[in-house]
Amino acid sequence: LAKTTQPISMDSYEGQEVNITCSHNNIATNDYITWYQQFPSQGPRFIIQGYKTKVTNEVASLFIPADRKSSTLSLPRVSLSDTAVYYCLVGDLGKAAGNKLTFGGGTRVLVKP
Amino acid sequence: EAQVTQNPRYLITVTGKKLTVTCSQNMNHEYMSWYRQDPGLGLRQIYYSMNVEVTDKGDVPEGYKVSRKEKRNFPLILESPSPNQTSLYFCASSHPGGISYEQYFGPGTRLTVT
Repeated sequence: LAKTTQPISMDSYEGQEVNITCSHNNIATNDYITWYQQFPSQGPRFIIQGYKTKVTNEVASLFIPADRKSSTLSLPRVSLSDTAVYYCLVGDLGKAAGNKLTFGGGTRVLVKP
Repeated sequence: EAQVTQNPRYLITVTGKKLTVTCSQNMNHEYMSWYRQDPGLGLRQIYYSMNVEVTDKGDVPEGYKVSRKEKRNFPLILESPSPNQTSLYFCASSHPGGISYEQYFGPGTRLTVT
């Protein structure tokens, strides 16, 4: 899986939009970008996945520029319950790499009242 | 409800006393995996299984064993636990080779070895 770099932590306030940018300069042609969320003492939870341009679901949006060397997870109007660690992962779905997810350090998002 | 369950959720044991952490999923997933999570080291894969009777080592397999006799179950065995295996353990499952990297994680098992 390609190496990713994301901020260690971010603070925000309720109702604001939170944008977390992940750098993945060595992303390969067949790699997809996936984001997971983890609350304390819980297992990671899949949030969103994309290949290029923009993907939106009921939880978040994922923006991927044309060069795909970075991506931005956008959480609209966060609440206190969005306080968690967010992980960016990049990998090739086509390879039989044991479906291994390689988690980096993630970004700790703290939402304040 | 689709889920991955783990038992026990918390376990305190002593060095050398064999233990098993069970993992079960009800989604008919072929792929199952074990991770451990340690502060500053993130999640690291221990073992994975692509299907029944097919298992392989992940990044940190030393000191662990697994078995996959049934599709739904993937127990993690520590034959002789040591203090450096004190960690938070997660089991995960998914359909391999699909169009998504979505894996479903269990609630975690916090293990302390004294």
